[in-house]
Amino acid sequence: AQSVTQLGSHVSVSEGALVLLRCNYSSSVPPYLFWYVQYPNQGLQLLLKYTSAATLVKGINGFEAEFKKSETSFHLTKPSAHMSDAAEYFCAVSGSGGTSYGKLTFGQGTILTVHP
Amino acid sequence: ETGVTQTPRHLVMGMTNKKSLKCEQHLGHNAMYWYKQSAKKPLELMFVYSLEERVENNSVPSRFSPECPNSSHLFLHLHTLQPEDSALYLCASSLKGTDTQYFGPGTRLTVL
Repeated sequence: AQSVTQLGSHVSVSEGALVLLRCNYSSSVPPYLFWYVQYPNQGLQLLLKYTSAATLVKGINGFEAEFKKSETSFHLTKPSAHMSDAAEYFCAVSGSGGTSYGKLTFGQGTILTVHP
Repeated sequence: ETGVTQTPRHLVMGMTNKKSLKCEQHLGHNAMYWYKQSAKKPLELMFVYSLEERVENNSVPSRFSPECPNSSHLFLHLHTLQPEDSALYLCASSLKGTDTQYFGPGTRLTVL
């Protein structure tokens, strides 16, 4: 069984400030982990993914996330927020273990607001 | 068209109507998914098709009926829906044997 917990349904930062969105997971198998972003009235766009290679994963738009097995965490960060980063962010875990399709379990989402 | 497309983008229907949602992927993938996204709830996986065969059906009511005629197209047929079925319906696709899913823009469904 897998689960994802995103701490904080809303995060507010000032433009130029550090962005930190928290994600903790549980998985009975070595996980693959994902961050997706959803802009208003749009689908989910893949930001980055961890698939057991490097623990620090770099994604698009300046975001990165670090896999910490001991803490079962996969927090998303960006050094300097931009107004265009305002969106909802979803953390997801996959433990399909090589089945023919991916099976993602999503967190509840975190809405990021960026103030000028 | 590139990526995953969904039509229509918005749909309003009465409880007695029959309508269909369409998803098309242009990525050469061979697994496709329907998700339901409701306010204040996590994304719910509804159906999974792998190589055009339904491999998962997560206790979805029979008023939702999926169809996958080929690896590029996925439909969700709707009939006698309830107001609580109002939500954003997202389609996704992936390549067999991989976990990364690519999503369409969704169809915003309102049931009156």
